[in-house]
Amino acid sequence: DAMVIQNPRYQVTQFGKPVTLSCSQTLNHNVMYWYQQKSSQAPKLLFHYYDKDFNNEADTPDNFQSRRPNTSFCFLDIRSPGLGDAAMYLCATSRDRIGGKYFGPGTRLTVT
Amino acid sequence: ELKVEQNPLFLSMQEGKNYTIYCNYSTTSDRLYWYRQDPGKSLESLFVLLSNGAVKQEGRLMASLDTKARLSTLHITAAVHDLSATYFCAALANAGGTSYGKLTFGQGTILTVHP
Repeated sequence: DAMVIQNPRYQVTQFGKPVTLSCSQTLNHNVMYWYQQKSSQAPKLLFHYYDKDFNNEADTPDNFQSRRPNTSFCFLDIRSPGLGDAAMYLCATSRDRIGGKYFGPGTRLTVT
Repeated sequence: ELKVEQNPLFLSMQEGKNYTIYCNYSTTSDRLYWYRQDPGKSLESLFVLLSNGAVKQEGRLMASLDTKARLSTLHITAAVHDLSATYFCAALANAGGTSYGKLTFGQGTILTVHP
């Protein structure tokens, strides 16, 4: 089945230790998104790629970076995680900007 | 900037009762989405509403859209325990701005259905 896959599902990292979260899709969608969702809050868009075109949200901290080496994969890099970065990270895809968003299962990040 | 507000934020219902969750958005939007989220899980798409007057139903849930009032509703009929979850509405920013295609979420409504 075509889908959005995130790895790992659970990630524990130490304060200040870089971490990378992975998202892959078999939908061949052009757009890939990264959302951060903290406990009891709505998802917040960090950035998205339209094909190779990177679009950063104005309030996304510099600590967060992203890479999209090909259509199928997108990575979220957190260079120096702080305790405040503990959250669920959701990857989503869509065929184009206005298309339906397909969400992956999420990665729960814990920072110790 | 598109803003989306839901109410109520917390909803405690008895099984068998009906209730409505409201979603207001601040500027024109081409599409309105409803999602369900169970604790610790990702978002599950429930409905996408594309035009004024659109109504969609799935089981005990029915969603509608009034683009003139910038209002969407999610109506729950004869609630059952399995519907307990957090429900988010989200509006899509229209073309013409820097936020084109961006999905803006409401705060979420935590629904608890009691026996």
